[in-house]
Amino acid sequence: DTAVSQTPKYLVTQMGNDKSIKCEQNLGHDTMYWYKQDSKKFLKIMFSYNNKELIINETVPNRFSPKSPDKAHLNLHINSLELGDSAVYFCASSLLQYQETQYFGPGTRLLVL
Amino acid sequence: GQNIDQPTEMTATEGAIVQINCTYQTSGFNGLFWYQQHAGEAPTFLSYNVLDGLEEKGRFSSFLSRSKGYSYLLLKELQMKDSASYLCAVRANTDKLIFGTGTRLQVFP
Repeated sequence: DTAVSQTPKYLVTQMGNDKSIKCEQNLGHDTMYWYKQDSKKFLKIMFSYNNKELIINETVPNRFSPKSPDKAHLNLHINSLELGDSAVYFCASSLLQYQETQYFGPGTRLLVL
Repeated sequence: GQNIDQPTEMTATEGAIVQINCTYQTSGFNGLFWYQQHAGEAPTFLSYNVLDGLEEKGRFSSFLSRSKGYSYLLLKELQMKDSASYLCAVRANTDKLIFGTGTRLQVFP
């Protein structure tokens, strides 16, 4: 009965590779998010989708491309991985676009070598 | 710009009370959240304040003063399991949550 799930939990890869992280929520929420948490534990929004439409796109390199096939899924594809992409990536969801609590997935720990 | 400030680290003793402060300067305000994050885990929701005053939920309470751009999280009867990072986050004009850098709380026996 997992609410927000992400795969994989750990991802170790070489610089220059392309990788994807998947996220699914079974809460019936309309809005989903991707956050990046760096080594200093600072959590920062990257993208937000509401009903499969992109609503927030922070200043993220265009090597990062989110895709939402339906409102229960929000995947993150990263091209040409760089050392600085190493971080924990959290997916989250909320019932509505505004005024609602966000529920976080367990995180994907990405290490780029 | 958007700015949220919290102390980096705090320590306290089991059974005690601790107050974690958060001050913010954001373009617009649509609510303030507190999240708890244990090491290696996801943030989990603790509290939400949108009106001035105190919200109490068991051992945890959160206070908001919008005119002062200030909130605090109060933890009573501290337990060892309360050792975690506590993240203050403000929802500004949009759906975006702006997080502070978090306060790492260590509870000692």
